[in-house]
Amino acid sequence: SQQGEEDPQALSIQEGENATMNCSYKTSINNLQWYRQNSGRGLVHLILIRSNEREKHSGRLRVTLDTSKKSSSLLITASRAADTASYFCATEGNTPLVFGKGTRLSVIA
Amino acid sequence: GAGVSQSPSNKVTEKGKDVELRCDPISGHTALYWYRQRLGQGLEFLIYFQGNSAPDKSGLPSDRFSAERTGESVSTLTIQRTQQEDSAVYLCASSLDSGGRNEQFFGPGTRLTVL
Repeated sequence: SQQGEEDPQALSIQEGENATMNCSYKTSINNLQWYRQNSGRGLVHLILIRSNEREKHSGRLRVTLDTSKKSSSLLITASRAADTASYFCATEGNTPLVFGKGTRLSVIA
Repeated sequence: GAGVSQSPSNKVTEKGKDVELRCDPISGHTALYWYRQRLGQGLEFLIYFQGNSAPDKSGLPSDRFSAERTGESVSTLTIQRTQQEDSAVYLCASSLDSGGRNEQFFGPGTRLTVL
């Protein structure tokens, strides 16, 4: 299985701090995507990084990808209470996206 | 219709009954996916459709689960003889292409409760 596994399972930080979440996977991929989920309902796509990319930015988000270690990280800078959500990585290879179990981020105001 | 819609938003049923869940993808999206998410868990892939190709049913947990899609439009997920273990949120997503090369757009989900 190329399932992504997020680490940590839960993270609690103060508003204004940075939050870092990690994702590891098992097989070769074409791209890796990060999604956010509020209140256990629909997911929202955050960012996609291709296998030949090492780092990507989008606003306060920074994603890195290390294909040699089969890992990715999502950094949220200057966190806000509104960033409280679950964050999932999803890997794409020869099968449809495979999602990990997510990291539950709580940002305390 | 800017986004993916799903109906019903909530469904409570008795064990042994059949249920049908509906997904309306974004117009023009050729790929459609169904996922199941149990409480506090990640997304479990169930099935995906890509255009007129045969669907990938590899994630369906049992023969009680089936799904259909009419062309590149509406899809229905049917669960027969529901069990309590089927209780979960069922999420539908669509994308322009298959294989995850484009981002997936998710609907709000249907929360199924089997009593």
